[in-house]
Formats: sequence, structure tokens, C-alpha cells
Amino acid sequence: NAGVTQTPKFQVLKTGQSMTLQCAQDMNHNSMYWYRQDPGMGLRLIYYSASEGTTDKGEVPNGYNVSRLNKREFSLRLESAAPSQTSVYFCASSPLFGTGAPSGANVLTFGAGSRLTVL
Amino acid sequence: GESVGLHLPTLSVQEGDNSIINCAYSNSASDYFIWYKQESGKGPQFIIDIRSNMDKRQGQRVTVLLNKTVKHLSLQIAATQPGDSAVYFCAERTGGYQKVTFGTGTKLQVIP
Repeated sequence: NAGVTQTPKFQVLKTGQSMTLQCAQDMNHNSMYWYRQDPGMGLRLIYYSASEGTTDKGEVPNGYNVSRLNKREFSLRLESAAPSQTSVYFCASSPLFGTGAPSGANVLTFGAGSRLTVL
Repeated sequence: GESVGLHLPTLSVQEGDNSIINCAYSNSASDYFIWYKQESGKGPQFIIDIRSNMDKRQGQRVTVLLNKTVKHLSLQIAATQPGDSAVYFCAERTGGYQKVTFGTGTKLQVIP
């Protein structure tokens, strides 16, 4: 049981290049998320998918797009990378989403992270 | 709102002592709180959670206390071990936003 798997683990891009971060979970979770983590800051939500077929913006969506390919997979795309997008990106999943769910259903399981550097 | 800083607050604790990590949350409407532990180079891991209708919840070697009056959350770790060295984040779930917001984190250093 792998949990949440992210690829790649490391990536260096030049300004203006595009790339896609891949994420897959094998826990049959309904909800998936992309966060970024910058030095000295908490995790900030970029986009989330409450259930298969839906995606919504989080706190910092500008410069990113997402695709919920199926229940297992949720990808994050940078169309034209900028140095401000240098960060560590974490994918996460949870059984359910939102305040109507039982508490434990909102617990996030995180991937190991993808370190992205934009030059 | 969310505080932003370049340097994480750090708590240094002697091995075997108890640790208390504090967190101030921002939204009085938050109904559920979670503590995560993040070891170097890894993603955050769930430690313990608490609903807003509770004041205290205990797990294995960990206790979370919630004071809604002053919007304060704390994580107590008993008999701190070197393996507890990590960054600890509190997170709050807020009704209406339907998402979990993370604090900036506290670094726990355990001195052998």
C-alpha cells in the first residue's frame, strides 16, 4: 500500500518552461489536494478536488492548473514557470471533504513532496 | 489571518522531558483541528485531531488541548524522544471555506 505517490521528486526548470507534477493515491480517497510549502511558511493550498470530476481554487491558484484524471490521479500543471514558483509541492488526499464530513474523514495523507526550482 | 515568517519558532527540549507546542488559530468558526508532524524531507503526517466541542483529547504519548475562548491549541508530547524532532503544524477546518488551513509550524529539537 503506497499511499500518495508524487513524481518527480526533483525538477529544475527555466523561466517560461512548462511541466506537470503527477500524483496518485491508492487509498480510494475521494478528495485530493495540491499544496506548496515555502521556507518558514505553512502549507498553502493551490487547488483541490473534493470529488472526482470537480476541481476548485485554493488560496494561491495563480499560475497553476489542475486535472483530476480519475479517482486516483490529480495532476498539477505549470504552464509558464516563474521563479516565484520555486517551492516544495505536496499532493495530499482525504477520504472526504468539507465540514459535513466526520472529522477523521478530513485527515490528509501527504505524498513525500516534489522540490521544484525555477531559474 | 495567517502569519508569515522567514524563521520557524524553535522549541528545544531535553530527551525524556515533556514538550508543549502552542498554536493560535485565527477563525472562531473553525470546528475541527489537526496536528501534523513533518520530518525533514518528508510530507506531513497526522498525529492527532480534536473537534471544537472537546477541550482535550489524548493519544499515545500526545495530548491536544483546545481553548476556544482564546483560540489556542496546544500539543503536549510526553517523554520526548529524538524521533520526535520535526516541524509540527496545527491546522484548522473552517466552515464556509471547506478547507483546512495550516499554521506556519514550530520546529521541535530534542537534545539527547
